[in-house]
Amino acid sequence: ETGVTQSPTHLIKTRGQQVTLRCSSQSGHNTVSWYQQALGQGPQFIFQYYREEENGRGNFPPRFSGLQFPNYSSELNVNALELDDSALYLCASSGVNEQYFGPGTRLTVT
Amino acid sequence: AQRVTQPEKLLSVFKGAPVELKCNYSYSGSPELFWYVQYSRQRLQLLLRHISRESIKGFTADLNKGETSFHLKKPFAQEEDSAMYYCALRSDRGSTLGRLYFGRGTQLTVWP
Repeated sequence: ETGVTQSPTHLIKTRGQQVTLRCSSQSGHNTVSWYQQALGQGPQFIFQYYREEENGRGNFPPRFSGLQFPNYSSELNVNALELDDSALYLCASSGVNEQYFGPGTRLTVT
Repeated sequence: AQRVTQPEKLLSVFKGAPVELKCNYSYSGSPELFWYVQYSRQRLQLLLRHISRESIKGFTADLNKGETSFHLKKPFAQEEDSAMYYCALRSDRGSTLGRLYFGRGTQLTVWP
């Protein structure tokens, strides 16, 4: 079992609200990526952070933003939530050869 | 543009039968391809990568650049193979900094 953890496990928000999701990387990993997985779809890349700097972004609007902290933990922030933001949000920290995924946060927007 | 296609959303086979999960990709550079698996109530985990040319849990996958395919195969399926399988392509080959492009996944069910 990997050391990537995410919180919270589940979250329900109302349209227009803001949400912060958290991820703790596996020890020693300085790169974290965030993915959105809508129902019935594969994970879609949101962005990646390397040593606290954004290092690549997918096709997501600016209301999706992130942070990486000196201890390499990370946050995903989403402003002005929309119904289509309902999804499983995954973070993955990168080792030498692969990305290790966390269990995900299930976000429901009503 | 990078794209990963898994044409089968669902695949069912009986125990002991061969199984092949299809994956096709489009990528302008030299691809690095992976298969990820997600068992029930577990997190997404790496099954195998094409660079390693290894067999994991009896599964193999060969990269066919001519057909731009990376199909996952197992000669004799087991019930414990039932899971969701995702094919993924990584840009920036050889670097863990590259993003992963995932297919939509294939749900494999192996019947007893």
